[in-house]
Amino acid sequence: EPEVTQTPSHQVTQMGQEVILRCVPISNHLYFYWYRQILGQKVEFLVSFYNNEISEKSEIFDDQFSVERPDGSNFTLKIRSTKLEDSAMYFCASSDRGRHTEAFFGQGTRLTVV
Amino acid sequence: AQSVTQLDSQVPVFEEAPVELRCNYSSSVSVYLFWYVQYPNQGLQLLLKYLSGSTLVKGINGFEAEFNKSQTSFHLRKPSVHISDTAEYFCAVGGGSNYKLTFGKGTLLTVNP
Repeated sequence: EPEVTQTPSHQVTQMGQEVILRCVPISNHLYFYWYRQILGQKVEFLVSFYNNEISEKSEIFDDQFSVERPDGSNFTLKIRSTKLEDSAMYFCASSDRGRHTEAFFGQGTRLTVV
Repeated sequence: AQSVTQLDSQVPVFEEAPVELRCNYSSSVSVYLFWYVQYPNQGLQLLLKYLSGSTLVKGINGFEAEFNKSQTSFHLRKPSVHISDTAEYFCAVGGGSNYKLTFGKGTLLTVNP
């Protein structure tokens, strides 16, 4: 069964460092998303991406965040200068038809900023 | 704006007992509703979804949910739970012009022997 894969599963980084979280969406999907879940809190939407551009983003997705689809298979989330409050589980998701369909989620990357 | 409220943060039940996990939503547009499950150390897996049509939807693992527009609810039910159902359950809403899903805080279902 096709699945969304994320690497790494856990990353520890020092405050101020840049991190790149990587995702391989399901191959025939066209819509890509990043969500995050701070420990003990709800899953929050960060950004959606379609046709090589951001289609929607939340207030959380400020200038320190960026997304990219560098090739035909990967979808990345970059955090330029990490803060302690960026520590969270980051989920990548993809869907084939956008708004009204199921999003398939990866297993997440746990980011710990120290 | 859309929001989701999951009224119970934790629900302990005994094996083979019925369970209901409650979800209420708020939205100014037509909604699409989802229940996701997260097993320990795993990602989010779709249990079931309501897009349109019948208000009673059936999902995987014997779960079902009923969309109630007048009460703005989408409660998840299972008539008889198993130990393996122990997990965190998330209700989510989408719809309108939004690409995103808005999630509730989750309900931890613990099934005890």
